[in-house]
Amino acid sequence: SQQGEEDPQALSIQEGENATMNCSYKTSINNLQWYRQNSGRGLVHLILIRSNEREKHSGRLRVTLDTSKKSSSLLITASRAADTASYFCATSPFTGTASKLTFGTGTRLQVTL
Amino acid sequence: SQTIHQWPATLVQPVGSPLSLECTVEGTSNPNLYWYRQAAGRGLQLLFYSVGIGQISSEVPQNLSASRPQDRQFILSSKKLLLSDSGFYLCAWSGGQGMRTEAFFGQGTRLTVV
Repeated sequence: SQQGEEDPQALSIQEGENATMNCSYKTSINNLQWYRQNSGRGLVHLILIRSNEREKHSGRLRVTLDTSKKSSSLLITASRAADTASYFCATSPFTGTASKLTFGTGTRLQVTL
Repeated sequence: SQTIHQWPATLVQPVGSPLSLECTVEGTSNPNLYWYRQAAGRGLQLLFYSVGIGQISSEVPQNLSASRPQDRQFILSSKKLLLSDSGFYLCAWSGGQGMRTEAFFGQGTRLTVV
């Protein structure tokens, strides 16, 4: 079963706008990660946030984590057409198998000119 | 630098035929290795993961098996493919010498069973 569920499933915005995607998960985690997938390709790691962190930035990306609500959000600011892709959250469990990642269902982002 | 190779990129196989997908990692040692399957427009389903040679954990019962004959080689197999085995298969690694927490993915194999 999927650990994470992204919301919305699909998002269409215009270039320059901000895009916000949300992720909810079910069990305790060691960290939460966001990945990007261009159509028909492998996933690329974007950013990782640990369970003791609340917010993290990387370039135009901003990630928040609320462990009490078991949720995270990914904000892409000033979006570009090249940001068009699917975005997935992935969680790593709070156990010895910290390396095992469970992915959510993804948000398909379309950025139009 | 570390790289991951996965092949073939696309594969069309008849029902009942065998399957062998190979994945190799370069530039690190003792990585954690994963096989995921992605249905069209869906998320990733973890099929198998391995923390060492000969150590394979299966996440879901299915028509597939995995093996890790060498430290940086991970193979996904089937003796007889089913139509439901069609999908996009992704190999990934994490951990390794640098204890990398994030996962690094291959480019995927598009399998169509006809």
